[in-house]
Amino acid sequence: EPEVTQTPSHQVTQMGQEVILRCVPISNHLYFYWYRQILGQKVEFLVSFYNNEISEKSEIFDDQFSVERPDGSNFTLKIRSTKLEDSAMYFCASSGTSGYTDTQYFGPGTRLTVL
Amino acid sequence: LAKTTQPISMDSYEGQEVNITCSHNNIATNDYITWYQQFPSQGPRFIIQGYKTKVTNEVASLFIPADRKSSTLSLPRVSLSDTAVYYCLASNNAGNMLTFGGGTRLMVKP
Repeated sequence: EPEVTQTPSHQVTQMGQEVILRCVPISNHLYFYWYRQILGQKVEFLVSFYNNEISEKSEIFDDQFSVERPDGSNFTLKIRSTKLEDSAMYFCASSGTSGYTDTQYFGPGTRLTVL
Repeated sequence: LAKTTQPISMDSYEGQEVNITCSHNNIATNDYITWYQQFPSQGPRFIIQGYKTKVTNEVASLFIPADRKSSTLSLPRVSLSDTAVYYCLASNNAGNMLTFGGGTRLMVKP
């Protein structure tokens, strides 16, 4: 069964550093998403991406964040100048086009720890 | 998207059937109901999705009455490995963000 993959599984960085979280969505899916979950809290939407551009973003997704689909398979989330409060699990998801509503399939997540 | 309300937690025992009810009084005509399961430190995993009446797959059943103001996720004969958080969400068009609530923390005991 196709699945979303994410690397690395755990990233430790120093405050102020830049990190890039990588995702390989399910092939032939057209919609891509990033969510995050701070320990003990709800899963929060960050951004959705379609046709090589951001289609929706939350208030959390400020100028510190950016997304890119550098090639036909990868989808990345870049966090510039990380802060302590960026420590969280970051989940990538993707969805296809079949039917009226598309199920979003989530990856296993990247645990980001900012020291 | 409609706000969903579900119990914070539930306890059950191995082998029992578990029913988790979700309330969505303001569900829109084009909203579907989707349930996800999440284990600690893992991504949400899709369980089942429905619009009306009953949907069944190899994992669960989903019951949605005619007024669609609530839905019930039914897990037959749970095992210890079903201990997880279960989320009920309303979703519509492709590409739209999902809004997760607090979910229902299911604890299955031996």
